[in-house]
Amino acid sequence: GAVVSQHPSWVICKSGTSVKIECRSLDFQATTMFWYRQFPKQSLMLMATSNEGSKATYEQGVEKDKFLINHASLTLSTLTVTSAHPEDSSFYICSARDVSGNTYGYTFGSGTRLTVV
Amino acid sequence: QKEVEQDPGPLSVPEGAIVSLNCTYSNSAFQYFMWYRQYSRKGPELLMYTYSSGNKEDGRFTAQVDKSSKYISLFIRDSQPSDSATYLCAMIRTGNTPLVFGKGTRLSVIA
Repeated sequence: GAVVSQHPSWVICKSGTSVKIECRSLDFQATTMFWYRQFPKQSLMLMATSNEGSKATYEQGVEKDKFLINHASLTLSTLTVTSAHPEDSSFYICSARDVSGNTYGYTFGSGTRLTVV
Repeated sequence: QKEVEQDPGPLSVPEGAIVSLNCTYSNSAFQYFMWYRQYSRKGPELLMYTYSSGNKEDGRFTAQVDKSSKYISLFIRDSQPSDSATYLCAMIRTGNTPLVFGKGTRLSVIA
């Protein structure tokens, strides 16, 4: 089945630094990837939609200059949290759909737990 | 009114019980319906997806969709402690659009 590999799974960084999170589709081409964040005991909140070769579309209230998304290839999308602050501490998850398959289910990465100290 | 409503629980049941999880939605444009299971600090895992109204069974899991009532359900038979997780309903309109999630229901199956 479709697999999305997400790294790192856990990262701690100092306030003011930047962190890059990678998501790779291992056995399929992902023309579109979605980035979510999830706070404890809450559901996933869509941050942005990333299309290969074009600019990401951000949801209302998400700072595009703070959360930089790059989708340079059909198998790799990255999210960079710039100048991170403690309030950016959260669980970040990417997802994609294998459009060549016969399922409409989206595959999720394993998530990245970001802690900003 | 939110697009997708789901009771967040928590729901606690004894091992072997039948679990019923439900979501309602308001937008009739939703066409595809999914159930995801999420363990703590992990990404969601797709359990079931359905398109048409009716039932779909996969092992101990049955997904039910009633488009006329805008209501979907997930039934878990013979629940096990390993089923303890958060269950999220999700739905999409068409094509490569983002999933719209319910809040998720936290389930605990007690041995």
